[in-house]
Amino acid sequence: GNSVTQMEGPVTLSEEAFLTINCTYTATGYPSLFWYVQYPGEGLQLLLKATKADDKGSNKGFEATYRKETTSFHLEKGSVQVSDSAVYFCALRKGGFQKLVFGTGTRLLVSP
Amino acid sequence: DTEVTQTPKHLVMGMTNKKSLKCEQHMGHRAMYWYKQKAKKPPELMFVYSYEKLSINESVPSRFSPECPNSSLLNLHLHALQPEDSALYLCASSQDQGAPNYGYTFGSGTRLTVV
Repeated sequence: GNSVTQMEGPVTLSEEAFLTINCTYTATGYPSLFWYVQYPGEGLQLLLKATKADDKGSNKGFEATYRKETTSFHLEKGSVQVSDSAVYFCALRKGGFQKLVFGTGTRLLVSP
Repeated sequence: DTEVTQTPKHLVMGMTNKKSLKCEQHMGHRAMYWYKQKAKKPPELMFVYSYEKLSINESVPSRFSPECPNSSLLNLHLHALQPEDSALYLCASSQDQGAPNYGYTFGSGTRLTVV
């Protein structure tokens, strides 16, 4: 079946450090891939997405590239801020009325 | 309007109470979802409505009863819940259940505590 694997957290960084959160997936065909962010006490917000191989999604300084050959969609940001502290979920979705499949989430803690 | 609005934000209920969670969107989305999220876990799908008809029930206990009165509204009726049902309940919507290129838009959730 379809699944998403994320790196275990928490990821602890100092402000202005480089961020990578790894995400790999298992799915047949070409799923759409998403990163969602959940700030403390809130719902999930769509951060970025990519719908086909080699697409790069980007938003608010975050980027992720859909790599079909490595079945990966790693999240990166060049310089994190304290306000980026949140839980990040990688997810995939295929057509044919299949549901959104989430990874387990990675907590990011950024200190001043 | 690009939001999904959920009410109430917080709810405390006894095990014999009946309560309802409400969700509303005005984006013209035709698929709506209920998720349950426990602490430090990803959201778990409960129900999917597509064009106002229930299309997926993920084997959810009957003490949870969904309702979709129209294309903009989604309710979750709660009755005889257990303390382990305490969680964040998230509503989401999407353009269409069968369109994979679109992500879901989530509400802020209702934090439910069953005492």
